[in-house]
Amino acid sequence: NAGVTQTPKFQVLKTGQSMTLQCAQDMNHNSMYWYRQDPGMGLRLIYYSASEGTTDKGEVPNGYNVSRLNKREFSLRLESAAPSQTSVYFCASSEGVQETQYFGPGTRLLVL
Amino acid sequence: AQSVTQLDSQVPVFEEAPVELRCNYSSSVSVYLFWYVQYPNQGLQLLLKYLSGSTLVKGINGFEAEFNKSQTSFHLRKPSVHISDTAEYFCAVKGYSTLTFGKGTMLLVSP
Repeated sequence: NAGVTQTPKFQVLKTGQSMTLQCAQDMNHNSMYWYRQDPGMGLRLIYYSASEGTTDKGEVPNGYNVSRLNKREFSLRLESAAPSQTSVYFCASSEGVQETQYFGPGTRLLVL
Repeated sequence: AQSVTQLDSQVPVFEEAPVELRCNYSSSVSVYLFWYVQYPNQGLQLLLKYLSGSTLVKGINGFEAEFNKSQTSFHLRKPSVHISDTAEYFCAVKGYSTLTFGKGTMLLVSP
C-alpha cells in the first residue's frame, strides 16, 4: 500500500514553461486535493475533487488547472509557469470531504 | 468562513520538558479539528483529530489535545518531548467545506 504518490519529486522550470504534476492514490478514496506550501503561509488549497468527475476551486486557483483522470489519479497543470508559483506542492486524498486527509510526499518546484 | 490562528511561529524547548502548541479557530458552524505534523522534507501526517465526543483527544507519539468550545481553542500538548519531535505542526479546521490550515508552529527541541 503506497498511499499517495507524487511525481516528480523536484522540478526546475523557466518562466513561461508548462508542466503537469501527477498524483495517484491506492486507498480507493473518493476525494483528492492539491495544496501549495509556502514559508510562513501554511498550506493553501488550490483545487479539489470531491468525487470522480468533479473539480472545484480552492483558495488559490489562479494559474492552475486540474484533471481528475479517474478515481485514482488527480493531476495539476501549470500552463505558463511564473516565479510566484515556486513552492512545494502536496496532493492529498480522503474517503469523502468530511474525512481525514492523507498526504503525499510533495513536489518541490522552482520557477526561474 | 473558517480560519485558524496558530499563536506561535516557533517554540523552542529542551528535551524532556513539557510543551503546548496553541491553536485558535473561528467558524460559523460545528467543526472538526485536526493536528498534523511535518518532519523535514516530508509530507504531513495526522497526529490526532477531534470529531465529537470527549474533548480530550489522544494521538500518536504521546501527543494530546483538548477541544475547548467556549474558547474556540484546540491546543496540542506533550508532557515530555524528545529530540525526534522536532518538526512543524499544523492545526486545521473543517466546517462543512474543505480543510483550512494554520500557518504552522515549528517545534525546536534541543538537548
